[in-house]
Amino acid sequence: NAGVTQTPKFRVLKTGQSMTLLCAQDMNHEYMYWYRQDPGMGLRLIHYSVGEGTTAKGEVPDGYNVSRLKKQNFLLGLESAAPSQTSVYFCASSREETYEQYFGPGTRLTVT
Amino acid sequence: EDQVTQSPEALRLQEGESSSLNCSYTVSGLRGLFWYRQDPGKGPEFLFTLYSAGEEKEKERLKATLTKKESFLHITAPKPEDSATYLCAVRSTSGTYKYIFGTGTRLKVLA
Repeated sequence: NAGVTQTPKFRVLKTGQSMTLLCAQDMNHEYMYWYRQDPGMGLRLIHYSVGEGTTAKGEVPDGYNVSRLKKQNFLLGLESAAPSQTSVYFCASSREETYEQYFGPGTRLTVT
Repeated sequence: EDQVTQSPEALRLQEGESSSLNCSYTVSGLRGLFWYRQDPGKGPEFLFTLYSAGEEKEKERLKATLTKKESFLHITAPKPEDSATYLCAVRSTSGTYKYIFGTGTRLKVLA
């Protein structure tokens, strides 16, 4: 039981490049989330999903897109990376919306 | 506006020196308050969920309590391995699915 896994762990992009971050969970959770964590700021919700085939915007969605084609996977895409997107990205999942979230190990992204 | 404030930002304790971390919140309606532990370079790890004022939860040296305005994470006789950042989050009853996280308290326990 791996819980929540994220790939890659580290990535360096140049401004304008694109990439996809992959999140996978093996707990059969309905809800999945993408957050970013920046120094001095709390975790901020980018996008979330309440089930397979559904996605919705969170607090800071601009510049990101997501897809949830399979229940266990939640993808976060950056179409044209900007230096402001340099951050640590965390994926999380939960059984229901009021339940605790389980987090992945994070992806450290640097955009130069 | 829903808001979560944690204090202090950082705390240094000697091993065995008990203390408390504070999480003050303002939400339209509380559906749950969560405490997480985050070690450097890792994702947050769930500790407790509290749903209503007066509720308490315990785990080893940690005890979480909840009032209508704030939550405390009490650490009794801490050990160096308790060193971490402790995050508080709330889920409000507003229509948007949103957990609001505080910026955390960095705890360092010295041997």
